[in-house]
Formats: sequence, structure tokens, C-alpha cells
Amino acid sequence: QKEVEQNSGPLSVPEGAIASLNCTYSDRVSQSFFWYRQYSGKSPELIMSIYSNGDKEDGRFTAQLNKASQYVSLLIRDSQPSDSATYLCAVKVIRDDKIIFGKGTRLHILP
Amino acid sequence: DGGITQSPKYLFRKEGQNVTLSCEQNLNHDAMYWYRQDPGQGLRLIYYSQIVNDFQKGDIAEGYSVSREKKESFPLTVTSAQKNPTAFYLCASSTGDTVNTEAFFGQGTRLTVV
Repeated sequence: QKEVEQNSGPLSVPEGAIASLNCTYSDRVSQSFFWYRQYSGKSPELIMSIYSNGDKEDGRFTAQLNKASQYVSLLIRDSQPSDSATYLCAVKVIRDDKIIFGKGTRLHILP
Repeated sequence: DGGITQSPKYLFRKEGQNVTLSCEQNLNHDAMYWYRQDPGQGLRLIYYSQIVNDFQKGDIAEGYSVSREKKESFPLTVTSAQKNPTAFYLCASSTGDTVNTEAFFGQGTRLTVV
């Protein structure tokens, strides 16, 4: 079983709608969870970090964490064409401080 | 300005040559990481270091070597033993604390074997 799994997409969402991105992880001692956005040819940039169960909101972005289900998600409200990118889910495990990434989900916002 | 600097941005290597990719950070971060990204793929961990003079292998360490002689620097050497080195290489750093442990990335080095 892969450590961090994401649907590769592409996920197409109309402009102004809510984009929902999902991620599951296999290591139950995972401690920290991150969402990164990566534009083509560029390095990843951090969007959200979440450490405890529940929701965390920052502007148009909401991260949701459910440790019992080993599930983390990212919601993007009022999607804009500039949100079109690949979104990477990352997990940090307690025992060795590794940060493991999923393969990413390509998001395409339709004008 | 604080940040992570990778150099060079583009690098071309002949088969059989070793090359070293530079990564420097002035964020006073304890932990540093090297990832490899192939087209259409996620990031795969090559090596990481939690503290000076110590580092651990990631998932794809074969054909690579690193050193961590200074807190600010974590160079990656791609050796001739790496069979398919053409890729986008990303260096990252984080505080290594229990919280606020997010990793921040440099701009990357795109390595091409010619």
C-alpha cells in the first residue's frame, strides 16, 4: 500500500465552484499534514498545514483532517483560473521526520 | 531575504560523470530534504537530514550521495551509478519542530543527461 495516495485527475471544476481534493495515508503515526500547489515547471508552494482533527480555514481554502479514517482533504471555494495547478498532499511521520508526498492531483478550473 | 537557494537552475551532464547540486538555506532550519520529480509524477524522497553531520536515506537513495557539514548547506551528488538521472531536483528545509513543521522549497535544479 502506497503511503500517500491521491487521485491523479485531472479534476475539472467550473470557475466560481468549489473544488474538492482528497488524500489518504497509510501510516497511523503520521503527525503533520500539508497541501502544496505546484504550477508547471515550478517548485511546490505551501497552501495549508493541519495538525489536528477537524477543519482549518484560510481565505478560500479549507483543510479537513480525519485521523481515524486516515483522510485529509482540501476545499477551494470560489475557484479561479489561477487555481489551475497540481495539488500535492504531504504527510510527516513522527518516528523519522520524513515528509512523504502523494503523486498530486491536477486541477483545471474552467472559465 | 530568507529562503532556500538551489543552483544551478539548469544542469547538463554527460553520461558517466558525477555532478553536485547545491542547496543553501538561511532560515536557520534544522531539517533539510532532497526530492526528485519526474514528469507527471509526485516528489520522491532521496535523502534527508535532521541535524548537522547526520542524514538518512529516503526511498530512492541509490546512485546519490549527500553531506551535511554545515546547518545551512545540504549538497546532493548525482553519481554515475544513477541509471536515469534526468529529472527535476528539489531541495527543501523545515524547522524540525513538533509543530510548524512544514517544508519550504527552493526553485529546483533541472538536470539533463546528454
